[in-house]
Amino acid sequence: KAGVTQTPRYLIKTRGQQVTLSCSPISGHRSVSWYQQTPGQGLQFLFEYFSETQRNKGNFPGRFSGRQFSNSRSEMNVSTLELGDSALYLCASSSGTSETTDTQYFGPGTRLTVL
Amino acid sequence: AQSVTQLGSHVSVSEGALVLLRCNYSSSVPPYLFWYVQYPNQGLQLLLKYTSAATLVKGINGFEAEFKKSETSFHLTKPSAHMSDAAEYFCAVTSKGGGADGLTFGKGTHLIIQP
Repeated sequence: KAGVTQTPRYLIKTRGQQVTLSCSPISGHRSVSWYQQTPGQGLQFLFEYFSETQRNKGNFPGRFSGRQFSNSRSEMNVSTLELGDSALYLCASSSGTSETTDTQYFGPGTRLTVL
Repeated sequence: AQSVTQLGSHVSVSEGALVLLRCNYSSSVPPYLFWYVQYPNQGLQLLLKYTSAATLVKGINGFEAEFKKSETSFHLTKPSAHMSDAAEYFCAVTSKGGGADGLTFGKGTHLIIQP
């Protein structure tokens, strides 16, 4: 089975711009989660989607949003970029039901640099 | 609320020596615990997981971890370190199977292998 794929792998943006990152989960997985990884804050949970519905959200401002499509692919969007948004954004997929999910498997990440 | 503490941001061992990476967790409900490894410029790879079955969990690449409820610990060990084990290791906790409420990660431990 193919793993989790994320595109693009690298992005450079300037402050004030917006960005969209894409994630394709493992075939058959309906849950997709997003995490932000920075040297200062470590790995932090952004949000999780299951069957096109956001089930949970971490403590991030509204500039961070996401969505999930009927084929389980997910996108996250960051508007009005700030320097502090520079990070590695990781997507993880897992199987499961509407009540819970199984182990999360991570993609390679998208490295976002904000100048 | 859940939290994870990884003791030692950097651990250095000689090739062939025992590897011990420490993880203590805090959770108000029975936890699910995970160890992930991250190589430079890559995503997270699952090493092993504890989901309330056997307290001694065996993972990939010769790693294992023991869940000790009385000590709220889930330390990762490997009997004999190999140069290829040099990486960043993350301990994570969640209250469900793995996703809906997001994984809470420790700050990570950078494992250095001395030749």
